[in-house]
Amino acid sequence: GENVEQHPSTLSVQEGDSAVIKCTYSDSASNYFPWYKQELGKRPQLIIDIRSNVGEKKDQRIAVTLNKTAKHFSLHITETQPEDSAVYFCAVEGYALNFGKGTSLLVTP
Amino acid sequence: ETGVTQSPTHLIKTRGQQVTLRCSSQSGHNTVSWYQQALGQGPQFIFQYYREEENGRGNFPPRFSGLQFPNYSSELNVNALELDDSALYLCASSMYPDTQYFGPGTRLTVL
Repeated sequence: GENVEQHPSTLSVQEGDSAVIKCTYSDSASNYFPWYKQELGKRPQLIIDIRSNVGEKKDQRIAVTLNKTAKHFSLHITETQPEDSAVYFCAVEGYALNFGKGTSLLVTP
Repeated sequence: ETGVTQSPTHLIKTRGQQVTLRCSSQSGHNTVSWYQQALGQGPQFIFQYYREEENGRGNFPPRFSGLQFPNYSSELNVNALELDDSALYLCASSMYPDTQYFGPGTRLTVL
């Protein structure tokens, strides 16, 4: 099956700084790459996604970039706020979502 | 919040018992996928149902089984529960093959 590697596993930034989380995948046929945010005790919530015909997508402070040749994609959060603190999961879709192991992001005031 | 609901919220069972978890998909969605999320891990795909048929299965034993009903709601059944089955069970609904939206999950504890 699809192998999804996510780094780093933990990330601590100061409020206002940027955060970057990177994922690599193995199946070159994959064409859909969502990112989910999961707060403690809550459901994963889709925050942004990208399809393979696009190299970058932005939504306010959040952006995702995709490099299909290198088989990696990254989540970029700018001007981080304490409420951005959560676990972030990347995923790659075959017929189901294959998730990375998650990145615990802590934004300190 | 998504329109996906799950019941029950929490459940405690003992080893060897059987459990049924339920998921109501978002209106207009025809696909339900089930995931197991162990503590500190990413969700692991169990199986997917599309228009009442199993549409794919992850690396889970046959004691994990499911159903999808004509209204596209779904059940996950687990027989002969083991301690390692303790996890958060998430369902996600979609209009295949589009974006999946997760329900709040059922926390299963096996003692």
